[in-house]
This record gives sequence, structure tokens and C-alpha cells, in this order.
Amino acid sequence: EIVMTQSPATLSVSPGERATLSCRASQSVSSNLAWYQQKPGQAPRLLIYGASTRATGIPARFSGSGSGTEFTLTISSLQSEDFAVYYCQQYNNWYTFGQGTKLEIK
Amino acid sequence: QVQLVQSGAEVKKPGSSVKVSCKASGGTFSSYAISWVRQAPGQGLEWMGGIIPIFGTANYAQKFQGRVTITTDESTSTAYMELSSLRSEDTAVYYCASGNYYDSSGYPLFDYWGQGTLVTVSS
Repeated sequence: EIVMTQSPATLSVSPGERATLSCRASQSVSSNLAWYQQKPGQAPRLLIYGASTRATGIPARFSGSGSGTEFTLTISSLQSEDFAVYYCQQYNNWYTFGQGTKLEIK
Repeated sequence: QVQLVQSGAEVKKPGSSVKVSCKASGGTFSSYAISWVRQAPGQGLEWMGGIIPIFGTANYAQKFQGRVTITTDESTSTAYMELSSLRSEDTAVYYCASGNYYDSSGYPLFDYWGQGTLVTVSS
């Protein structure tokens, strides 16, 4: 089973600044990597698929990169609505989620 | 637009089973891939298992093998997740999820989510 590890667990960033979130797979998942955003009391929302393609309606300040085992989600110029928990998910062999990174206001 | 509506909250005793339903509308049910994801209080997302029609059978995460069963009923456009031998650590919100195929991976992503079903396991 593929294990996904996210870092850091919590990231404190000021509005307007850039946030960089990391995700590592225990074995190669090619580019079959998605990112989701979850706000309190809500179901997750798909942000990125194929490691780097934004889902419909996702602002351009969200970008993803990486392949194989190392992936990054970057949010440039953080807006107030971006403070949430972010999960990576591999879908190379069924599915596994990372444990999440909480993005909080500094 | 696919909509997923789940059954209501449950309170169960340790050792018992729970069966949560997920009724789909807005598309062709036989083509849906359905997964179940749970989230314990204050914790992250955990994929439990799912059914992808082109694969034919359900697949379960190792952690839940032998304890979870996912089924579908095309006549009612409903998916079910049954979890047995419940323990306190199974207290969580259980989501069904479905979505579109975005690439050639063969696995759909999770665009659509049910509202979640809180299952509380307590003596």
C-alpha cells in the first residue's frame, strides 16, 4: 500500500504571502497525484489533479508540481479564504490520502 | 451534476455493525465509481474502499480488509458501506464520494461528496 506523507503538519503564513506544501509518496505514483482543500464542517474540494492541472474554477494562485515521489502545492499571495487543511491523494493504485497540512494565519 | 445524499447519524455499540447508504442522482448510476472516505474527529481523510464499474469489484484499503463491505443497488441508485466489529476508534464522519475521470490513470477523482454521516461508537 502506498503511504503519503505531508509536511509540515501546520504552516503559519501571513495573508498575501506564499505558501508551499509538500507531499511525498512511499513509491512512485507517476503524476497521479491530486490535492484537495477542506474547510471546517465541509467536504473536501478538488484543487489539482495530474500533479499540476487545476480543476475547474480553481484560481490561478494555486499551482502544483512534481512527479514520481515528490510533490508540491504552492499558493501564491494567500487570500483569507485559503486558510484551510490541504490533503494530497495518490490515485496511481486505488487511493491514499496524506495526513494533511493545516494552513493557518500568522 | 451528481448529487450524493447519505443516511442519517448512527449510534452503535462496540462489536456491532453499521450500514451507511449513499443515494445518487443526476447521472447514470451504473457508470459511477463510488468510494467511501472517513474522518475521525479532528483527524485527516482516510480512504476505506471503493467500487469502480470498469474494474467490476470492490477494493478495500488494507486497514479495513475483512471488516468493510461496499455494495451497490442499481435499482435504487444507492451505494452502501457496512463496517463490522465496531470499536470506539471507528467514531467518525463517513463520506461517500464520486467523480470524473480526468486522465488515463483509470481512477476517477472525487468531485462529488455526500454530506457525511456521523457514526458514534459508544457503550
